[in-house]
Amino acid sequence: EIVMTQSPATLSVSPGERATLSCRASQSVSSNLAWYQQKPGQAPRLLIYGASTRATGIAARFSGSGSGTEFTLTISSLQSEDFAVYYCLQSNNWPLIFGGGTKVEIK
Amino acid sequence: QVQLVQSGAEVKKPGASVKVSCKASGYTFTNYGISWVRQAPGQGLEWMGWISAYNGNTNYPQKLQGRVTMTTDTSTSTAYMELRSLRSDDTAVYYCARTGSGSPPIDYWGQGTLVTVSS
Repeated sequence: EIVMTQSPATLSVSPGERATLSCRASQSVSSNLAWYQQKPGQAPRLLIYGASTRATGIAARFSGSGSGTEFTLTISSLQSEDFAVYYCLQSNNWPLIFGGGTKVEIK
Repeated sequence: QVQLVQSGAEVKKPGASVKVSCKASGYTFTNYGISWVRQAPGQGLEWMGWISAYNGNTNYPQKLQGRVTMTTDTSTSTAYMELRSLRSDDTAVYYCARTGSGSPPIDYWGQGTLVTVSS
């Protein structure tokens, strides 16, 4: 079973700054990697799929990169509504596996 | 617009079973699958399995094999998830989510159903 490791667990960032989140797979997942944002009390929301394709309606400040085992989600200039928990998900193999999440908090 | 509407909160005793429903609208139900994902209080997301709404094929993680059953009713565009032999660590919010065969894997989510297991 693939293990998805996200780092850091918590990221403290000031509004307007850049945030870089990492997701590492224990074996190659090709580009079958998605990113989700979750705010308290809400269901997750799809941000990025195919490692780098923004989902419909997602702001351009969100970008994804990587392939194989190393992936990055970058938020170019953090807005107040971006403070949330972010999860990666591999869908290259069954079972689907989520990373443990990165909480982006206000510095 | 795509919507997934789940059934309401449940309180169950240890050893009991729970069945959560998820009614889909806004798309052709049989063109996609449904995944179920749960989230224990203060914890991350755990994928519980997938069912094809086209042919009923399922895929469950080994951890839940034998305790979980996913079904669909194509006449009402509704998916169901039944979890048996409930334990206190099954207390969680349970989400259904539309799942494609390619990319994106999971795109739309239900609102979540809180299942509390307590004696």
